[in-house]
Amino acid sequence: DAGITQSPRHKVTETGTPVTLRCHQTENHRYMYWYRQDPGHGLRLIHYSYGVKDTDKGEVSDGYSVSRSKTEDFLLTLESATSSQTSVYFCAILRQGGNEQFFGPGTRLTVL
Amino acid sequence: KQEVTQIPAALSVPEGENLVLNCSFTDSAIYNLQWFRQDPGKGLTSLLLIQSSQREQTSGRLNASLDKSSGRSTLYIAASQPGDSATYLCAVLNSGGYQKVTFGIGTKLQVIP
Repeated sequence: DAGITQSPRHKVTETGTPVTLRCHQTENHRYMYWYRQDPGHGLRLIHYSYGVKDTDKGEVSDGYSVSRSKTEDFLLTLESATSSQTSVYFCAILRQGGNEQFFGPGTRLTVL
Repeated sequence: KQEVTQIPAALSVPEGENLVLNCSFTDSAIYNLQWFRQDPGKGLTSLLLIQSSQREQTSGRLNASLDKSSGRSTLYIAASQPGDSATYLCAVLNSGGYQKVTFGIGTKLQVIP
C-alpha cells in the first residue's frame, strides 16, 4: 500500500472555517498529489508536489492551498471551506522506477 | 489537454462471463497507463500498469492491452466473479511537465451470481 496515510479520515465542518488535511508517506517518494472525487466527475487533480517546497496547481485548485515542508508530508488547506468543497479527498504518490501511482485511503469531508 | 474516456459507464454481467472494459485517451504522449479498482467507499487499488513501450500486461484473470498510437486500452476480465464487482478506472501518466495523471470517470461493474 506504499505506506500512505491520510488524516483525518472523516470530517464535518461549517462553511467559512479553515480545514487542513494531511497526507503522510513513509517511502520518501518525490511526487505527491491531492485529488478530489465527486460523482460524475471522477478524480480531479487539485495540487501536486514534485519535491520539498515545490508545488503546482492542478485543474481544480481554486479555494485550496498546499504545503510540503518535509518529504513525507503533504498538506492540503481549505482556507475558508464552502459547501462545494464537500467531497472525498485522496492523496497519492508516484513510485518512481516504474511511475506507478498509489493512493491513500481517502478523507471524506462534509461542509455544512 | 488530455482527456480520458471510459466506455461503458456501467456494466452488468452474469457470473462466469468474460468481459472487456474500454479506455480511450486523446493525447498519445504518455509514459504509461494504469488500471485501478475502487470498491464503494474505499480507495483506489492498482491492478495493472502498462508502460508506453509495452503492448499488454497480465495479472491472474486480468489482462490489459495498450495501443498508444490509437489512444486505446482495454481491460479484459476472464471468468468474472461476484467479487469483481467494483468501479474500474484507467489513468494515464502524461509525458512532459511534472508527472501529471489524468483519470477516466470509470466503469461500474456488477457481476450477478
